[in-house]
Amino acid sequence: DVKVTQSSRYLVKRTGEKVFLECVQDMDHENMFWYRQDPGLGLRLIYFSYDVKMKEKGDIPEGYSVSREKKERFSLILESASTNQTSMYLCASSLLGTMNTEAFFGQGTRLTVV
Amino acid sequence: AQSVTQPDIHITVSEGASLELRCNYSYGATPYLFWYVQSPGQGLQLLLKYFSGDTLVQGIKGFEAEFKRSQSSFNLRKPSVHWSDAAEYFCAVANYNNNDMRFGAGTRLTVKP
Repeated sequence: DVKVTQSSRYLVKRTGEKVFLECVQDMDHENMFWYRQDPGLGLRLIYFSYDVKMKEKGDIPEGYSVSREKKERFSLILESASTNQTSMYLCASSLLGTMNTEAFFGQGTRLTVV
Repeated sequence: AQSVTQPDIHITVSEGASLELRCNYSYGATPYLFWYVQSPGQGLQLLLKYFSGDTLVQGIKGFEAEFKRSQSSFNLRKPSVHWSDAAEYFCAVANYNNNDMRFGAGTRLTVKP
């Protein structure tokens, strides 16, 4: 089975801190994604990556950056955390350009910024 | 970029009744379409997907969805809802490379006894 693992289930950080959310997948997928999930807004795409060192902005990249140094790992970075970044963060991975496949999700990281 | 609209924020149905959840997408080419379900406190689980071919696709848990290109829709249906179907449902669309996936705002389903 595909496994997408996010390093923390719950995280509490202070305003202004630099925050790293880590995601690792074990199925050699090219694509990796970061979403944030908020009630009433669904899942909004922050960034995605289709290859090592490649990244593309999603709908809401402001205040975030990403890093993909290895194929299996995709990190989301909050350079200076703010209270409006309190949310559930979901990582996903999928195969590139392959039909009849889907994205697999991690369990999520609930981040609270105080 | 592609986008998804789920017009219904919250739907309540009685157990045993039929269900239809609406999904409209915007994309200039043939889309890849998905329905995911998220039960309270759980991760996202794929219900079904459409890539090409037969426009009526069958999924898990008795769900099906129909792709209608002329209406840019991919509505999810179930003939008889069970109490365990209470959850949030998300429609998603991906581009031809399957690497840019956008989700709708979700529809929360409540099932009455």
